[in-house]
Amino acid sequence: QIQLVQSGAEVKKPGSSVKVSCKASGGTFSNYGISWVRQAPGQGLEWMGGIIPIFGTVNYAQKFQGRVTITADESATTAYMELSSLRPEDTAVFYCARVYRNWFEPWGQGILITVSS
Amino acid sequence: QSALTQPASVSGSPGQSITISCTGTRRDIGTYNLVSWYQQHPGKAPKVMIYEGDQRPSGVSNRFSGSKSGNTASLTISGLQAEDEADYYCCSYTGDITPFVFGTGTKVTVL
Repeated sequence: QIQLVQSGAEVKKPGSSVKVSCKASGGTFSNYGISWVRQAPGQGLEWMGGIIPIFGTVNYAQKFQGRVTITADESATTAYMELSSLRPEDTAVFYCARVYRNWFEPWGQGILITVSS
Repeated sequence: QSALTQPASVSGSPGQSITISCTGTRRDIGTYNLVSWYQQHPGKAPKVMIYEGDQRPSGVSNRFSGSKSGNTASLTISGLQAEDEADYYCCSYTGDITPFVFGTGTKVTVL
């Protein structure tokens, strides 16, 4: 059974960057995609982007293009998401999720990123 | 790519059936029968309940079913139970530069 474990909560200043991780265990890491999904407080889910390590392909949602960078370290079976130029409205829970064909399962536990001066 | 449209809330009594709609466009739901549905309890990660329109993952109750008509997908929960009270999100593949789009979310309340 594939499991995704994410790094811990962070507090960041406006204008700074944050890099969070998502470690996979079980299964073959390179064979599937990992997506990142944002959920602002009390709001819905928003797809940010994803990576397929075996192909080295990365896609970003237009809304986040230029501010988000998604990478993967196959040897560490870990995916990363870096978000730059943080603003208070970026305060949210960020989830990673495995993409199996065209749906998301399982999901990581989520990381709360708080952007505040 | 705009979010898919869902009703903000749906409610029902225990044992009843409810249906949550998810309206997109011909560029997403209308073209691809690749809609998935997610259940999210407060403070928890989402969990897939339906994939590829009407397929149920192993372990998900057969009280959950999915369908599609035109540009609208639907999730039906039959025999409503207290544990079904949660937020539900649809998601469609788009075949676009942004390949996935989520719905606005629906809060299900069991009366």
